[in-house]
Amino acid sequence: SAVISQKPSRDICQRGTSLTIQCQVDSQVTMMFWYRQQPGQSLTLIATANQGSEATYESGFVIDKFPISRPNLTFSTLTVSNMSPEDSSIYLCSVGGLGTDSYEQYFGPGTRLTVT
Amino acid sequence: RKEVEQDPGPFNVPEGATVAFNCTYSNSASQSFFWYRQDCRKEPKLLMSVYSSGNEDGRFTAQLNRASQYISLLIRDSKLSDSATYLCVVNAFDLGSARQLTFGSGTQLTVLP
Repeated sequence: SAVISQKPSRDICQRGTSLTIQCQVDSQVTMMFWYRQQPGQSLTLIATANQGSEATYESGFVIDKFPISRPNLTFSTLTVSNMSPEDSSIYLCSVGGLGTDSYEQYFGPGTRLTVT
Repeated sequence: RKEVEQDPGPFNVPEGATVAFNCTYSNSASQSFFWYRQDCRKEPKLLMSVYSSGNEDGRFTAQLNRASQYISLLIRDSKLSDSATYLCVVNAFDLGSARQLTFGSGTQLTVLP
């Protein structure tokens, strides 16, 4: 596995503002993903962060709302734009391609976002 | 129908008990299956992969039935530290999919002293 860190670990933001979450991995990884976990719910994939190209978004998520960067194989950012209270959630990055099964994913500690 | 369905839970069991979780998946083309564990206010952590022949890791046994599209997790001799939410996870098998996963809603386990 890899050591994955996220910043910030938590934040309280006002509606209409934006927050950028950083995900740093201690080794190069081929795949990075961003998930959202709303209170009491399971994980929903937002997008796959592609190194050197635009992220691939899942149905219901758009680049204008959740712009993603992935400048290299160890780092990615997710921005939550023009926030509303409905964006209050835990945002998690994960990495894949490390285990014996290429589908195995390992998660960062998450960013707990509260929008007021 | 949800892509991955789990026992609704919650499960409250005494220490030392054996508990089993079940999960069904809808896409017969799925190839990779996992159980993750998520502690309260923490990130999910990979507990074990699930192989066709079934596999065991200490007190934990995972089994896969491809014909029934069914996955199970058995925990023997439950410990207080086993209290967590257990997530059934299946690869999302779409053409061009970059190794994406689909998560079940989770089953909450509380082991009581």
